[in-house]
Amino acid sequence: SQKIEQNSEALNIQEGKTATLTCNYTNYSPAYLQWYRQDPGRGPVFLLLIRENEKEKRKERLKVTFDTTLKQSLFHITASQPADSATYLCAPLSGNTPLVFGKGTRLSVIA
Amino acid sequence: DGGITQSPKYLFRKEGQNVTLSCEQNLNHDAMYWYRQDPGQGLRLIYYSQIVNDFQKGDIAEGYSVSREKKESFPLTVTSAQKNPTAFYLCASSRRPGHPKGDEKLFFGSGTQLSVL
Repeated sequence: SQKIEQNSEALNIQEGKTATLTCNYTNYSPAYLQWYRQDPGRGPVFLLLIRENEKEKRKERLKVTFDTTLKQSLFHITASQPADSATYLCAPLSGNTPLVFGKGTRLSVIA
Repeated sequence: DGGITQSPKYLFRKEGQNVTLSCEQNLNHDAMYWYRQDPGQGLRLIYYSQIVNDFQKGDIAEGYSVSREKKESFPLTVTSAQKNPTAFYLCASSRRPGHPKGDEKLFFGSGTQLSVL
């Protein structure tokens, strides 16, 4: 069955450092992979989408990579700030099936 | 402003009672979804609808029912058959899956927290 694993349940880093979150998937060949941010008690908000033929995508301090050989996506936040503290969810998208989400990684940026 | 509205924000269910969660969107999206989120867990798909008057079961549909009579609305009923209904329920919408552009991102509502009395 399809499986999505995000590297760790929680990640603590110091303000100003780069946070790196990992998303691994198995039994999947997604054409796209999406990343969302979720704050406590709120719905997820779309951040970035990367296609299978793109190695890297950037948006301001965010960078996403997509390695279809390793079946992995990395999500980086550079110069992290306390306001970046949230749960980040990855969601591979395959064909016309609904999005399936990983459990998320809860990031805490400590001032 | 375009978006998705879920109501109520908090809902309490008595044993044996059916309750209905509302979800309305004005984004002109074809597809709508219901997800359930438990503490420390990911989002699990309950039901989804790609067009009006059509919907499909997701991974955890038992104890739930939906309708899609209008494009804008996709209400979810939590029936008494759902024995563990306490969770955070999220409604979302997107362009129809299979759209030629193929990059449907989901727009989520702010969620409904359902608790059992």
